[in-house]
Amino acid sequence: QQQVKQSPQSLIVQKGGISIINCAYENTAFDYFPWYQQFPGKGPALLIAIRPDVSEKKEGRFTISFNKSAKQFSLHIMDSQPGDSATYFCAASGGVTGGGNKLTFGTGTQLKVEL
Amino acid sequence: KAGVTQTPRYLIKTRGQQVTLSCSPISGHRSVSWYQQTPGQGLQFLFEYFSETQRNKGNFPGRFSGRQFSNSRSEMNVSTLELGDSALYLCASSLNSGSGNTIYFGEGSWLTVV
Repeated sequence: QQQVKQSPQSLIVQKGGISIINCAYENTAFDYFPWYQQFPGKGPALLIAIRPDVSEKKEGRFTISFNKSAKQFSLHIMDSQPGDSATYFCAASGGVTGGGNKLTFGTGTQLKVEL
Repeated sequence: KAGVTQTPRYLIKTRGQQVTLSCSPISGHRSVSWYQQTPGQGLQFLFEYFSETQRNKGNFPGRFSGRQFSNSRSEMNVSTLELGDSALYLCASSLNSGSGNTIYFGEGSWLTVV
C-alpha cells in the first residue's frame, strides 16, 4: 500500500521558473512532512519540513504548502536554477505504534532546470 | 560535525552469501534507521534502532536484520543474498526517536548481488 503519492514523476523547468511538486497522503496519523533532495551518488538531504498545524512554510526559494483537509502538500521552488536539478522526495512520518521515527516516502520527482 | 558515515561504500556479493553494512551516526544522535533504495521500489524503511533496541521494522523478510551498539553505531546484515537485494542501502540518524525528529542520511552503501 503506497501511503504517499507523488507527482509528477519528472519535471523540466526553465531557469528562473517555478517548479511545483505535489504529494498526497492517506494516513491521517501522519504529523510531520519533510521534503528531501537527492543528487546522483548522494544520500537524500533534508530541504524543508512542515507540521500539519501550519498551512505554509517558506525557507529561501523553497515553500511547502499544506492542505490538511485534502491531505495534500506541495513543494514550490521559486526562481529555479540549474543547480536545483535533482530528485525530490516528499515523505511523511507519525502514527507509528509505540512511537519511533519512520519515514514513508513518495516515489520521487526528477527535476531538470534548463538554461 | 561529521555526518552519517557508512562503510563500505561499494560492494559486490554473490547470491547466497551474506553481507554486513556499518553505520556511524552523527555524534550525539541516538536513533539510527536503515532504508533500501531501488529504482523499482523507491525508498523503503527497513528498521529503526534507539538505545540498542529495535523500535520499528519495515516489511522485509527475516533475512534482513540489524543491531545497534552502546555507542549508537549500527550494523545491518542481509543473509542468503538474492539478486533482488541489489540496492543502495541508506543509514540515517536523528537525535531522538519519534516523529518530527530531523533525519539525516548518509551517502549509502551500494550493494550489487551477482
